[in-house]
Amino acid sequence: SQQGEEDPQALSIQEGENATMNCSYKTSINNLQWYRQNSGRGLVHLILIRSNEREKHSGRLRVTLDTSKKSSSLLITASRAADTASYFCATDGGEYGNKLVFGAGTILRVKS
Amino acid sequence: SAVISQKPSRDICQRGTSLTIQCQVDSQVTMMFWYRQQPGQSLTLIATANQGSEATYESGFVIDKFPISRPNLTFSTLTVSNMSPEDSSIYLCSVVDLGLKLFFGSGTQLSVL
Repeated sequence: SQQGEEDPQALSIQEGENATMNCSYKTSINNLQWYRQNSGRGLVHLILIRSNEREKHSGRLRVTLDTSKKSSSLLITASRAADTASYFCATDGGEYGNKLVFGAGTILRVKS
Repeated sequence: SAVISQKPSRDICQRGTSLTIQCQVDSQVTMMFWYRQQPGQSLTLIATANQGSEATYESGFVIDKFPISRPNLTFSTLTVSNMSPEDSSIYLCSVVDLGLKLFFGSGTQLSVL
């Protein structure tokens, strides 16, 4: 079963704009991670945020976590055509233990 | 970080046949994970492969359909047996590092006719 649900399902923006994707989950978590997948290939880890953290940055990525709302957001600033990909959140902890459970994903298209 | 070589990258198979997917890691790892990603869907964990013991399968997945081998700490195979069109998916192997991050192979895109 899927723990994380993401919205929007698909997002289309112009190069240079910011892209925001949201992830909601149902049970308590230890960590939440974001991954990127290009063209149905292997996933690449982007960032991990722990349940006691509220915000984390990595380059053009900013992730927030609100455990009271059981939600997280991924912000990509100054998007580039190369950011076109699917983005997935994944959580561990709670009833799922150490297993990573992936959300449904957001398809991001950045138009140049 | 870990580098994972997965092959084949894609295959087109006939109904009723089997396909074995191989995963080679550049370092020794305790656990390897096999995921399935059906078209347009997210990843679903099939099983966890531990060296020296039987794989642990998730609900909805059985050993007869998805036998897994783990002969050493750097290699694993997943076989998709007696395939049907419903098995058409991307299959991914992955490993986890001490920081809980998953590293993935490049995936095997399987189409069953």
